[in-house]
Amino acid sequence: DTGVSQDPRHKITKRGQNVTFRCDPISEHNRLYWYRQTLGQGPEFLTYFQNEAQLEKSRLLSDRFSAERPKGSFSTLEIQRTEQGDSAMYLCASSLVSPGISTDTQYFGPGTRLTVL
Amino acid sequence: EDQVTQSPEALRLQEGESSSLNCSYTVSGLRGLFWYRQDPGKGPEFLFTLYSAGEEKEKERLKATLTKKESFLHITAPKPEDSATYLCAVQASFMFSGGYNKLIFGAGTRLAVHP
Repeated sequence: DTGVSQDPRHKITKRGQNVTFRCDPISEHNRLYWYRQTLGQGPEFLTYFQNEAQLEKSRLLSDRFSAERPKGSFSTLEIQRTEQGDSAMYLCASSLVSPGISTDTQYFGPGTRLTVL
Repeated sequence: EDQVTQSPEALRLQEGESSSLNCSYTVSGLRGLFWYRQDPGKGPEFLFTLYSAGEEKEKERLKATLTKKESFLHITAPKPEDSATYLCAVQASFMFSGGYNKLIFGAGTRLAVHP
């Protein structure tokens, strides 16, 4: 399968613990996005990378959240000192953007469901 | 402020009963409007991208259309396997990022098709 993969698929943690999620994009894609989705809502943008550079962060991304994309390949999203309000589905998406391509179609992974007790 | 509103929130259809889902949007500098399908517990699955008013795209029983203020997803003779949440999203351009970045999603329409 050559789609976007995410690990783990489910994570249950206690309030105050740190968690880290991993995303592996489609291999040739240079852009990688993180979104958060709560029940009954559409995904909300958190941050995105072009290659290894983090280009934009949402105001939703508090200082407890940090994302990295070393070497422009996989990405990790870490949440420190988790709170119950962090419970959500965390989605990763990737796209290919180049000078000759005007589209930026984002392909999503299966998501990581986080439950904070 | 860029915004996407989808209606109805939920729609129940009988198998074979055609209908349309609506996506109204306000965005500065629309680069593209996207439709995704999302099954419970899974990530969104890409369906269509529309770029300019008057554009139409089709895939099996689905047809997406775009005007300057809204998009419609028409479902012709739906089957139970079409049951899912359909998400609409817009992409605006931001000069500093080179022109393309985040998607702004609506809350979705939950479609249930009964035999």
